[in-house]
Order: sequence, then structure tokens, then C-alpha cells
Amino acid sequence: SAVISQKPSRDICQRGTSLTIQCQVDSQVTMMFWYRQQPGQSLTLIATANQGSEATYESGFVIDKFPISRPNLTFSTLTVSNMSPEDSSIYLCSVGTDYSNQPQHFGDGTRLSIL
Amino acid sequence: GNSVTQMEGPVTLSEEAFLTINCTYTATGYPSLFWYVQYPGEGLQLLLKATKADDKGSNKGFEATYRKETTSFHLEKGSVQVSDSAVYFCALSDGSLTGGGNKLTFGTGTQLKVEL
Repeated sequence: SAVISQKPSRDICQRGTSLTIQCQVDSQVTMMFWYRQQPGQSLTLIATANQGSEATYESGFVIDKFPISRPNLTFSTLTVSNMSPEDSSIYLCSVGTDYSNQPQHFGDGTRLSIL
Repeated sequence: GNSVTQMEGPVTLSEEAFLTINCTYTATGYPSLFWYVQYPGEGLQLLLKATKADDKGSNKGFEATYRKETTSFHLEKGSVQVSDSAVYFCALSDGSLTGGGNKLTFGTGTQLKVEL
């Protein structure tokens, strides 16, 4: 399966600032996803990162707060904007295919704390 | 819509005990089912999968059988080890969603603690 690298692995940020998280894959992939995992909770899909076009956001998530880029088939970024303590979470990148019988594969996540 | 329901944790077992973590689902069409494991401080790793009714997924001593009649995909292991301590997530992928590809719906996760 693909090797997925996320940077940074963790960060502590001040409220009101923004942080960009990078996700790099060692092979070309069709689908890339961004998830949020709040402390002790399950994963919530933020958006699907589409290569060469705007990301598709899930209900409750907006582009102004979580802008996403995907310039090619191996790389994506998620920015968490104007952060507040409620944004303290693990943010996970995953990769997938067009086929529902295939699993997604995940990076190790970015552990973000907002002071 | 799709949903996945898992038993609440934490589940605490002694080493070599038998493990069952219950998972039931609601989905349209014919979903594929997955178990993922998250070790402390790490991302999610695929543990096993099943893509059609009566399929059994297995890996590292863990097993789960896709039961369409009971809409269940319970995770089992005959003898757990301390190293199995982690959070386990049940998930489904329903390709009938428009443009969904293999978009996943996750359960809430079940924390397993194995003690000596």
C-alpha cells in the first residue's frame, strides 16, 4: 500500500493563527481525504481533496475555515484557519480509490493543540 | 443514511482472553466493511476487510465475518496480547454515494486494554 507522510506530526499554536498541514504520498492516487479526530472521538470527514479542482466539503465544514489544495496526484494540504481551542484535534490524511471495496490508507496524523 | 454502531469501551481483558467487539451497520446497497486499529500516538491501520456477504476477513489472529442477515461485522480474536491494546474502528464504504469512491463511515471506536 502507499506510504503517506504528514507534516508536521504535532504542533502547538496560538489562537487566531493558521497552520498548513502537508500530506505527501509515494505514488499517484485517485482520492485523497482529510479527517478530523477530536480527543477521544471517532473520525469525521472534513473534505475530499480533488486534483485540479475545488475540494468537496462535508456538512459543517467550509472552505474559509479549512482551505484545501491538491496540485497533483501525490500531494495535498489542509489549512486550519483562524484557530480556536475547539480546533485542537488530530488531523488525518488518507488516500483511496474510485472503488468502494478498496480500503483507505492513513497517514500518522497531525496532533494540533491551540492555546 | 449510512451508520456504524460499535460497542462502547473501554474493554479490559486479561492476556490470552477471548475478544469480541460488536459492530452493526446501516447502509444502502452492498457496502464493504473494514476494521481499522489505532495504536497510541499513531494513525489508523487497516486490520481486515470483507467486501460481500459471508466473507471472512482475517489478519494477525483477528477475524470478522460479514453477516448481511444481521447487518453485523463483529471483530474476534481467540487470545489477546498486551500489544493488542489500541482503539478499534469499524467502518463501511458504500460506493452508491454520488462521487463517493471509497468514502468511509466510521463507528465511534472501541478502546481495548489488555492487562497481564
